[in-house]
Amino acid sequence: GAGVSQSPRYKVAKRGQDVALRCDPISGHVSLFWYQQALGQGPEFLTYFQNEAQLDKSGLPSDRFFAERPEGSVSTLKIQRTQQEDSAVYLCASSPGSVEQYFGPGTRLTVT
Amino acid sequence: GQNIDQPTEMTATEGAIVQINCTYQTSGFNGLFWYQQHAGEAPTFLSYNVLDGLEEKGRFSSFLSRSKGYSYLLLKELQMKDSASYLCAASSNTGKLIFGQGTTLQVKP
Repeated sequence: GAGVSQSPRYKVAKRGQDVALRCDPISGHVSLFWYQQALGQGPEFLTYFQNEAQLDKSGLPSDRFFAERPEGSVSTLKIQRTQQEDSAVYLCASSPGSVEQYFGPGTRLTVT
Repeated sequence: GQNIDQPTEMTATEGAIVQINCTYQTSGFNGLFWYQQHAGEAPTFLSYNVLDGLEEKGRFSSFLSRSKGYSYLLLKELQMKDSASYLCAASSNTGKLIFGQGTTLQVKP
């Protein structure tokens, strides 16, 4: 595809459920970033991959959040035992290097 | 700590000029991005400043002063479609972006 894609676009989960959010970066992009964007706020950094290596996970809010990129392409962000405060838009971005980032449309997660 | 400040909301008239300011305090600063985000959509890239000075790109210009930790985005000849949120983001040497809360710009006829 031409851009970054994310699925699902919308996810409703009951509190306590596990969810998995997928990101397909632009082909050949080395760097991949995950951000969390609460309503009316700017995106907040969660984690960063360079190829398959997770180089920075300092933004993950708790050990319920886990991200992987096993083959250096598609990435999955998993949230275990979801809580209401996890409700947000989860944005994925990819970059050919470490400068300009191209964002996907996001996954809007609502925890009820 | 790391901090990015920008106004929450601004209003301007179609055809006018508006300047959105951003101040930042970050460690490992590499450069300053501006992104545009329409409601419910992904942020889209507008500009990137590494060196001090003004970068002009069509109706949009962006300025950076590294010594002052200050940037602004200038939008000229405003159009209704420019109504959106404008995000200031500082880039670290790892590529991680630290975003401000965003400035919601409303363009009125």
